[in-house]
Amino acid sequence: QKEVEQDPGPLSVPEGAIVSLNCTYSNSAFQYFMWYRQYSRKGPELLMYTYSSGNKEDGRFTAQVDKSSKYISLFIRDSQPSDSATYLCAMSDAGGTSYGKLTFGQGTILTVHP
Amino acid sequence: DVKVTQSSRYLVKRTGEKVFLECVQDMDHENMFWYRQDPGLGLRLIYFSYDVKMKEKGDIPEGYSVSREKKERFSLILESASTNQTSMYLCASSWKGAYEQYFGPGTRLTVT
Repeated sequence: QKEVEQDPGPLSVPEGAIVSLNCTYSNSAFQYFMWYRQYSRKGPELLMYTYSSGNKEDGRFTAQVDKSSKYISLFIRDSQPSDSATYLCAMSDAGGTSYGKLTFGQGTILTVHP
Repeated sequence: DVKVTQSSRYLVKRTGEKVFLECVQDMDHENMFWYRQDPGLGLRLIYFSYDVKMKEKGDIPEGYSVSREKKERFSLILESASTNQTSMYLCASSWKGAYEQYFGPGTRLTVT
């Protein structure tokens, strides 16, 4: 079993839809949770960052972490064609020797069509 | 703006060749990472370095080695390229103690 599981999709939605992207994980030591966005032929870039449980909102994006269920989500409201990309969840423990190592999900390919 | 550059966007090599992939960052980051990205498998960590001349194996180090002689530069070496090393290779860097990693654009390597 992978430490982090993410549905690879692909996911195709109409413009304006609410998108829900999800990851589950098995390592209870994970404390830092991130979502990266990767456009075609580019490297991933950080979209959202959350520490421990709770919600975080940034414009049309909301990240949720439920540590009791080992489940994280990214919601995109009013999705736009420019949101079409691969979305990767990533997480890390707070261990002193981890040097900021991240464990990534498989990535979900999202297409928002006009 | 943080900039991470990789020496090539596309590379085609033959089986058995020695391959060098170079990565340079301009933000004085202590940590540097090499990943490979394959469909359905996501990003998998090959090696990382937390200081000059220091390196640690990641999850899939077999068939690879690394070199970090200067803080800004981290090289990935395929000692004898094989077809199963055909992949997208991504370099990243971060500050010491930070979890946000900054990625380069990637090198798509094809081994024939």
